[in-house]
Amino acid sequence: AQSVTQLGSHVSVSEGALVLLRCNYSSSVPPYLFWYVQYPNQGLQLLLKYTSAATLVKGINGFEAEFKKSETSFHLTKPSAHMSDAAEYFCAVSDNSGYSTLTFGKGTMLLVSP
Amino acid sequence: NAGVTQTPKFRVLKTGQSMTLLCAQDMNHEYMYWYRQDPGMGLRLIHYSVGEGTTAKGEVPDGYNVSRLKKQNFLLGLESAAPSQTSVYFCASSQNPLQPQHFGDGTRLSIL
Repeated sequence: AQSVTQLGSHVSVSEGALVLLRCNYSSSVPPYLFWYVQYPNQGLQLLLKYTSAATLVKGINGFEAEFKKSETSFHLTKPSAHMSDAAEYFCAVSDNSGYSTLTFGKGTMLLVSP
Repeated sequence: NAGVTQTPKFRVLKTGQSMTLLCAQDMNHEYMYWYRQDPGMGLRLIHYSVGEGTTAKGEVPDGYNVSRLKKQNFLLGLESAAPSQTSVYFCASSQNPLQPQHFGDGTRLSIL
């Protein structure tokens, strides 16, 4: 069975500050990992994905995430927050079997203040 | 580019009423999914389909039925709506389970 834990339901940062959103996963086989973003009243959009190639993955809008097998983590970072980054962020895990489905974390709301 | 389209966008039902939510995708994807999103719960998978004519149960299937008669459409039905089914419902599709899922904008359903 696979699971995802996102630490912190809300994270607040100032504009220009580092963004760090934490994600830890549990999977019995090598995982595929995803970060999605959800803006108000919209569906989820893919930010980036890890599929067992490079451990540092770059995504859209300046976000990146690093896969650390020893820590079972896939934390999302951005060097400098913008007001437009305010949204809810979801980490998701899938094992690499043929019929797996995604398991989502409960989400972290990112608040950006001027 | 439509992607994944959900109808309706909003609906209010009374307890015991039935309704069908429609999801349509124009990307020729094999896999389609229905999720519900509740505050603090993330997204939970209701049912999914791995191809035309197939369906499978997800994490929270009780009270819902689905059908995939055409590859591009995935219908979610509530036979007898209950207040616990008040939620935002999202449909998604992907070419295979290891590819990113593409999401619709959601259906906001309230059951009184």
